[in-house]
Amino acid sequence: DQQVKQNSPSLSVQEGRISILNCDYTNSMFDYFLWYKKYPAEGPTFLISISSIKDKNEDGRFTVFLNKSAKHLSLHIVPSQPGDSAVYFCAAIYTGNQFYFGTGTSLTVIP
Amino acid sequence: DVKVTQSSRYLVKRTGEKVFLECVQDMDHENMFWYRQDPGLGLRLIYFSYDVKMKEKGDIPEGYSVSREKKERFSLILESASTNQTSMYLCASRTGVDPYEQYFGPGTRLTVT
Repeated sequence: DQQVKQNSPSLSVQEGRISILNCDYTNSMFDYFLWYKKYPAEGPTFLISISSIKDKNEDGRFTVFLNKSAKHLSLHIVPSQPGDSAVYFCAAIYTGNQFYFGTGTSLTVIP
Repeated sequence: DVKVTQSSRYLVKRTGEKVFLECVQDMDHENMFWYRQDPGLGLRLIYFSYDVKMKEKGDIPEGYSVSREKKERFSLILESASTNQTSMYLCASRTGVDPYEQYFGPGTRLTVT
């Protein structure tokens, strides 16, 4: 049973515009959320995270929003750049150990 | 910088062979993980280890075993490879405390024919 879901397998955005990637989860026990970025033939790299006690975390062009009541997480990239083209995975954790990953969204930023 | 290395980037094995995938991390992390990544299924946890000689099953342990004899090394073993184990295998490590981010190796693309 998929506890973390990314319902959009792909997304295309023009360079300079905003990219919004969405993630939904079912387990209210999750207390920490992360976004990873993955290029082909490479392992995922950590991008940004947020604790469940916050509703927003920002790092440069990347902002993650958490809506606990809706069990929804989103990643905003502004402005989008061609180098942002990659697969993005959201992940959730509780008990401090086991990560639950979404199925990924492939972002294409069109120059 | 944390470095997680995996023994092979690409591997081709025959059905029924025993396969070893090795992972080494250089940051003294307590926790190590093995995932497989398949299209449309994301990353699924096979096994993880929170200490030497300790292991826990993840979501899809069937057909796999692991070994952690040293803190820096975590091995994934396919006892008898099957074609449905053709996949991208990713190793990761992290500390046992906050921050929680995992550091991933480059992956091993395994093809079982």
